[in-house]
Amino acid sequence: EVQLVESGGALVQPGGSLRLSCAVSGLSVSGSSMTWARQAPGKGLEWVSDMYTVGSTHYADSVKGRFVISRDETNNTVYLQMSSLRADDTAVYYCARHRLNYGMDVWGQGTTVTVSS
Amino acid sequence: QSALTQPASVSGSPGQSVTISCTGISSVDSGYNYDYVSWYQKYPGKAPKLLVFDVNRRPPGISDRFSASKSGNTASLTVSGLQAEDEAEYYCMSYSVSTTSAVFGGGTKLTVL
Repeated sequence: EVQLVESGGALVQPGGSLRLSCAVSGLSVSGSSMTWARQAPGKGLEWVSDMYTVGSTHYADSVKGRFVISRDETNNTVYLQMSSLRADDTAVYYCARHRLNYGMDVWGQGTTVTVSS
Repeated sequence: QSALTQPASVSGSPGQSVTISCTGISSVDSGYNYDYVSWYQKYPGKAPKLLVFDVNRRPPGISDRFSASKSGNTASLTVSGLQAEDEAEYYCMSYSVSTTSAVFGGGTKLTVL
């Protein structure tokens, strides 16, 4: 069974940094394209970042230059390093397997990030 | 990618069918410039669930009450035989091969009357 478990969400001050983790079981993070998406309170889903199997990374304009997606093949974990956090980054962050033309077919339960002073 | 537009809400009675539209999908103009459309169901406090991918294909285990199509720059999701459990938010998503980016629609709240 494929499982994705996010962690690392917290309350952080504006301008601060945070690293989210997505521990994966049942599939290899290096053999899958992985994505981060988020949902701000009362808002819709927003794509944040992708990392493809070949290692290329892609970002939404809203986070480009501030967020970095990476993976650790040894621990089979995907990360999202977030810096220069703003109030509008407050959201539940989800990781998912993104099979590109086959959609985002496996999702974690989400982790909450709150940016506030 | 440009934003995708969905109606904020739709509603229907049990047994009826409803259709949710998603406009702003890029049209195919070459074999490389293609947007892959998928649809997701989301309950409050729960993770999204993939309902349809590649415009009109369902993953294993998804009811055939969910069907989808695309015409021009508009994709549509139809929920047939409405049931109380279908009350949720529904999102379209477009993944662009050419720009290597994805965008979600604003979401549609489906209410079963």
